[in-house]
Amino acid sequence: QQQVKQSPQSLIVQKGGISIINCAYENTAFDYFPWYQQFPGKGPALLIAIRPDVSEKKEGRFTISFNKSAKQFSLHIMDSQPGDSATYFCAAKRSGGYQKVTFGTGTKLQVIP
Amino acid sequence: ETGVTQSPTHLIKTRGQQVTLRCSSQSGHNTVSWYQQALGQGPQFIFQYYREEENGRGNFPPRFSGLQFPNYSSELNVNALELDDSALYLCASSWGGYGAGNTEAFFGQGTRLTVV
Repeated sequence: QQQVKQSPQSLIVQKGGISIINCAYENTAFDYFPWYQQFPGKGPALLIAIRPDVSEKKEGRFTISFNKSAKQFSLHIMDSQPGDSATYFCAAKRSGGYQKVTFGTGTKLQVIP
Repeated sequence: ETGVTQSPTHLIKTRGQQVTLRCSSQSGHNTVSWYQQALGQGPQFIFQYYREEENGRGNFPPRFSGLQFPNYSSELNVNALELDDSALYLCASSWGGYGAGNTEAFFGQGTRLTVV
C-alpha cells in the first residue's frame, strides 16, 4: 500500500524556473510532512518540513504548500539552480508512534542551464 | 553532513550468505531506524531500535534483525541473502523513541549492498 503518492517521477526545469513536486497521502494520522533531498551516493537530507496546522511554509527558495482537506502537499523550488539537481522525496510521519518516516517514490529533478 | 556514519560504504555478497551493517548515531540521539532503498525507489522502513530494544518494524521478514548497543550505535543483520536484498541500506538517528513526537531523523550516507 503506497501511503504517500508522489508525482512527477522526473522533472526537467530550466535554470531560473520553478520546480513543482506534488504529493498526496492517505493516512489522516500523519501530522508531520518533511521533504528530503538526496544526491547520488548520499543519504536523504532534510530540506524543509510542515505540520498540518499551517498552509504554507517558506525557507529561502523552497516553499511547501499544504492542503489538509485534500490531503495533498507540494514543494515549490523558486529560481531553480543546477545545484538543485537531485532526487526529492516527500514524506510523512505521525506523532505518538515510533519514528517511522513513510516516503514517497521520489522525483528526479534536473535543472538545465 | 550529519553525524550519522555507516560502514562499510559498499559490500558485495553471494546469495545465501549473511551480512552485518553498522551505524553510529549522531551525538545525543538514542533512537536508530534502518531503511532499505531499492534503486529508483523511496526508502522503506525496516525497524527501529530504542534503548537497545526493537520497538517498531516494517514489512520485512525475520531474517532482517538488528542490535542496538549501550552507546546507541546499531547493527543490521540480514541472513540468507536473496538477490532482491540488493539495495542501499540507510540508518537514521533521532531522539526519543516511541511516542516522542516528531523529532527529526538524520540519515547516514548508506551502505550499498549488492547480492550476486
